[in-house]
Amino acid sequence: GESVGLHLPTLSVQEGDNSIINCAYSNSASDYFIWYKQESGKGPQFIIDIRSNMDKRQGQRVTVLLNKTVKHLSLQIAATQPGDSAVYFCAEARSGGSNYKLTFGKGTLLTVNP
Amino acid sequence: SAVISQKPSRDICQRGTSLTIQCQVDSQVTMMFWYRQQPGQSLTLIATANQGSEATYESGFVIDKFPISRPNLTFSTLTVSNMSPEDSSIYLCSVGASGNEQFFGPGTRLTVL
Repeated sequence: GESVGLHLPTLSVQEGDNSIINCAYSNSASDYFIWYKQESGKGPQFIIDIRSNMDKRQGQRVTVLLNKTVKHLSLQIAATQPGDSAVYFCAEARSGGSNYKLTFGKGTLLTVNP
Repeated sequence: SAVISQKPSRDICQRGTSLTIQCQVDSQVTMMFWYRQQPGQSLTLIATANQGSEATYESGFVIDKFPISRPNLTFSTLTVSNMSPEDSSIYLCSVGASGNEQFFGPGTRLTVL
C-alpha cells in the first residue's frame, strides 16, 4: 500500500540553528510533495511544495529536497526561530482529474528552544 | 490566498446525536475538501465536495455517516451523524487553489461523550 511517513516524531533545536525534518514516501506516482505547518489550535498552513520532476526548491528560510531514488523528502529551515515551533506535515498530491488529493504523513513536532 | 472560517470552533456532544459543521470561504472556489484529524494524528481526507454535484467519499467514509452539502461556491457543511466517542476529532475544511495548493480552515474540535 501507499504511505507517507516521517522518520522522527519530535525534533528539538536551539534558536538560530538550522532544522531538518524528514519524510519517506512509497508512492512513486505522486505529482507534488508539500510541506505544511500546523500551530496549536489552527489549521495546516502551506509552506512550500515541489514538483516530482524537481530535486530542490527554495523559499524564504526554507528549502525542500526531493530524492526520488530513495523516496525521501526533507524540509530545511534556516536560522530557526521560536515562531517556527509547530507540527510539520509532509503531504503527497496526486491528480484526481480536476483536483489534487492530499495524503498526509504523520507529522513531526518541532520545538525551538530560546 | 483564501480566508476560511468554520462554525462551531468546538463542541461537546452526547452520543447518538448529530452535529453540522459549517465552512465559509471569502471567495468563490470550485473544490472544497473535508478532513478529519484524530487526537495527535495526521489529517485524513473524508470527502471532496464540488458545487453542483454529489460529494465524493474516500474509502472508509460513507454519506450516511458524514452527509455533506455544497449549496454554492462559498459554503459547505459536514454533518457527523449518530455520533460515538470514536468520532471525537478535529474536522477541517479546505479549499483548492491554483495548482495543488489547498488552504485550510481553523478546524472544529469535536468531543463526543
